Amino acid sequence: QKEVEQNSGPLSVPEGAIASLNCTYSDRGSQSFFWYRQYSGKSPELIMSIYSNGDKEDGRFTAQLNKASQYVSLLIRDSQPSDSATYLCAVGERAGGTSYGKLTFGQGTILTVHP
Amino acid sequence: DGGITQSPKYLFRKEGQNVTLSCEQNLNHDAMYWYRQDPGQGLRLIYYSQIVNDFQKGDIAEGYSVSREKKESFPLTVTSAQKNPTAFYLCASIGALTGELFFGEGSRLTVL
Repeated sequence: QKEVEQNSGPLSVPEGAIASLNCTYSDRGSQSFFWYRQYSGKSPELIMSIYSNGDKEDGRFTAQLNKASQYVSLLIRDSQPSDSATYLCAVGERAGGTSYGKLTFGQGTILTVHP
Repeated sequence: DGGITQSPKYLFRKEGQNVTLSCEQNLNHDAMYWYRQDPGQGLRLIYYSQIVNDFQKGDIAEGYSVSREKKESFPLTVTSAQKNPTAFYLCASIGALTGELFFGEGSRLTVL
């Protein structure tokens, strides 16, 4: 069974700090990678998607992908209390075009940003 | 507005009953997914469908069934064979070009 593992939490950081969230995956053939944020009792919302090795930045968020190490991370700069949530890593079999195939999620990491 | 609609939001069921959760999308997405989430855990894939009239089992398909007769609709039936059905169920769809997996608001099923 293909696995996606996230660093165990909960993770607590002070306001304004950088939060680092990590994810490893077992299927070397995986092609698409996503980070979702989920507030308690709500459905997940997409933060970032990344398909190629390297960094991808969007505002305070940076996703990093290293396919050789089967590792994807999310950095949150200038963390705010509103960033407190569960962060989910998802890995897809394919990179789009006709389909993404099976999408597997990690167990999530709870992030708390304290003032 | 475009999106995914799940119903009902809350559902109570007696043991031994089958229940069907509805999922409708107007995003013109080909692929749709059903996930289950238990407290403090991530999302586990139940079934997914990449095209009408075709679907594949996910990691925890036992005790569940689906159909995909229309592109817009992907209902999930929780059968009496599912031993521990109390959970939060999430339906999602993905656009092949954008890669964004959109989620519905979820259905919370409680077995009494």
